[in-house]
Amino acid sequence: DADVTQTPRNRITKTGKRIMLECSQTKGHDRMYWYRQDPGLGLRLIYYSFDVKDINKGEISDGYSVSRQAQAKFSLSLESAIPNQTALYFCATGRRDSGELFFGEGSRLTVL
Amino acid sequence: AQSVTQLGSHVSVSEGALVLLRCNYSSSVPPYLFWYVQYPNQGLQLLLKYTSAATLVKGINGFEAEFKKSETSFHLTKPSAHMSDAAEYFCAVTRAAGNKLTFGGGTRVLVKP
Repeated sequence: DADVTQTPRNRITKTGKRIMLECSQTKGHDRMYWYRQDPGLGLRLIYYSFDVKDINKGEISDGYSVSRQAQAKFSLSLESAIPNQTALYFCATGRRDSGELFFGEGSRLTVL
Repeated sequence: AQSVTQLGSHVSVSEGALVLLRCNYSSSVPPYLFWYVQYPNQGLQLLLKYTSAATLVKGINGFEAEFKKSETSFHLTKPSAHMSDAAEYFCAVTRAAGNKLTFGGGTRVLVKP
């Protein structure tokens, strides 16, 4: 089983719909991140959490919200999806004593 | 604020030729630097990392990178490309362990037979 699991892997939705992407990890890491990947732009940070009670905005948080339900779970929500939120979304985890991040396989979201 | 610039969004190399991917960073403090690889339809996996030890870092699959503070660079090389090296490569920087990573725009590598 993957250490960082994202669901769903693929989702097509319509403008205005609420969408939740879920991430769970078995690595025991305290830090979790949501990134968005767009061609030519690399990965951009949406939100991150250093522990269950700590949530921080990244560089592109507008239109998104997150919930850290437990150390192992970190969800990303789009309250009202719009077409320019069509992208590949990655969840990642890390430890406080290491710069390395461990990534899930991604959730591809298409907003029509 | 930190930033990462990868020169060239696409690189095409012949099988057996040198692979050179360029990464320049800006950071107000000595950084931690990383190269990640993304194969089609997969997540990112770590190739190698620099964390202020040796300036020449060896990674998986024959890749290595050299940290040059005077040039603020961390270029990735592989002496002889293999077809399996076709992927997208990302350079990333952070100012401290446990902190968030800032990524470059990525370089997609095509390997020609």
